[in-house]
Amino acid sequence: EVQLVQSRAEVKKPGESLRISCQASGYRFSNYWVAWVRQVPGKGLEWMGKIDPDDSYTNYSPSFRGHVTMSADKSISTAYLQWTSLKASDTAIYYCARLISGDYGFDPWGQGTLVIVSS
Amino acid sequence: DIQMTQSPSTMSASVGDRVTITCRASQDIDGRLAWYQQKPGEGPKLLIYRTSNLATGVQSRFSGSGSASGTEFTLTISNLQPDDFATYHCQQYNYDYSFGQGTKLDIK
Repeated sequence: EVQLVQSRAEVKKPGESLRISCQASGYRFSNYWVAWVRQVPGKGLEWMGKIDPDDSYTNYSPSFRGHVTMSADKSISTAYLQWTSLKASDTAIYYCARLISGDYGFDPWGQGTLVIVSS
Repeated sequence: DIQMTQSPSTMSASVGDRVTITCRASQDIDGRLAWYQQKPGEGPKLLIYRTSNLATGVQSRFSGSGSASGTEFTLTISNLQPDDFATYHCQQYNYDYSFGQGTKLDIK
């Protein structure tokens, strides 16, 4: 079964750093891009960017470029999303998803990681 | 940026009903439109890709269509079942990616 399992919920203070993870199983990790999507509670989905796990090439949405860093370790089939200085406005649920190239969409998605940033 | 406008934002229906959700793109997206279903506490699930193609394992009660303009799309769910009450999102993937604001379908 193709599956993406994300790290647990985090509660952080403004200014702190954070890295959340997304571990893939059931397929060859290097063969598919991984996308990250933000969902502020009660709001819609926002595409943040994507990473090619094979060479770690990234493509960020202009809205998120410079605010987060995406990385991947293909030896352990895991993608990461990282912040160096969190803000209260980063409070959201973050999803990873496998991006099937061509014409298919995002499938599957992880279960989401809730990040709460509060002083 | 391509803006996706979804309507309605919420709707109520009964088991057995047929419902339609609409998504409008700010420009022609060449049919590169997907629909997702999301239940509370879960990640979205792909239902339809390329306007009208069912993802693997998705029931045929779900169907998608698009207009000739390339900017108007609909998701139709026939014979609503209890498991269908969820939030539905459209997504364009013709230029980068963007989503509609979601439609919450609840029980009348």
